[in-house]
Amino acid sequence: SQQGEEDPQALSIQEGENATMNCSYKTSINNLQWYRQNSGRGLVHLILIRSNEREKHSGRLRVTLDTSKKSSSLLITASRAADTASYFCATALNAGNMLTFGGGTRLMVKP
Amino acid sequence: NAGVMQNPRHLVRRRGQEARLRCSPMKGHSHVYWYRQLPEEGLKFMVYLQKENIIDESGMPKERFSAEFPKEGPSILRIQQVVRGDSAAYFCASSGQLNTGELFFGEGSRLTVL
Repeated sequence: SQQGEEDPQALSIQEGENATMNCSYKTSINNLQWYRQNSGRGLVHLILIRSNEREKHSGRLRVTLDTSKKSSSLLITASRAADTASYFCATALNAGNMLTFGGGTRLMVKP
Repeated sequence: NAGVMQNPRHLVRRRGQEARLRCSPMKGHSHVYWYRQLPEEGLKFMVYLQKENIIDESGMPKERFSAEFPKEGPSILRIQQVVRGDSAAYFCASSGQLNTGELFFGEGSRLTVL
């Protein structure tokens, strides 16, 4: 079974609204990362949060990590149509760079 | 500074043929990771290589699949005697020194087996 599971699997919102995606994982981790994938393209790294961090911001992105609940959330504020993509969380079990990906959340932002 | 380059972007093979997918990591990167993605699903880890060494191949099927990352040239993922179930997008990622966390992905190679 996968280490990371995203919730919801699909999300449809209007432009300007906030989008929240959640990720749960099973084992202790070194860090958790979020990636974005546009249809038919490769993955692009968005943000990394380490196990000793609780919250991180990058532009319109806000990531939280709760290691006691083994969960993370990605918040995209003031969404734009261009944010339409699939978003994946990925966990690193140790300090190396091997990542285990979840199934993704497919976000659609309607103009 | 070119990113991770994968080729071919699209590959069509008939059952029983061989597929070779190539990946050139970012300049200066010596760690390469291969992932497989089925439609509407996440990425599944296949193999992790450093130059001339396979570090972890726990996600790669024992038969028909092999990977290498020679001292010179790109990393190659080879699938022999392809079957329809091998149809997927295969992504390569690279990283520089360990402990930086981030992986840099190529655009993927989409294999279709007829």
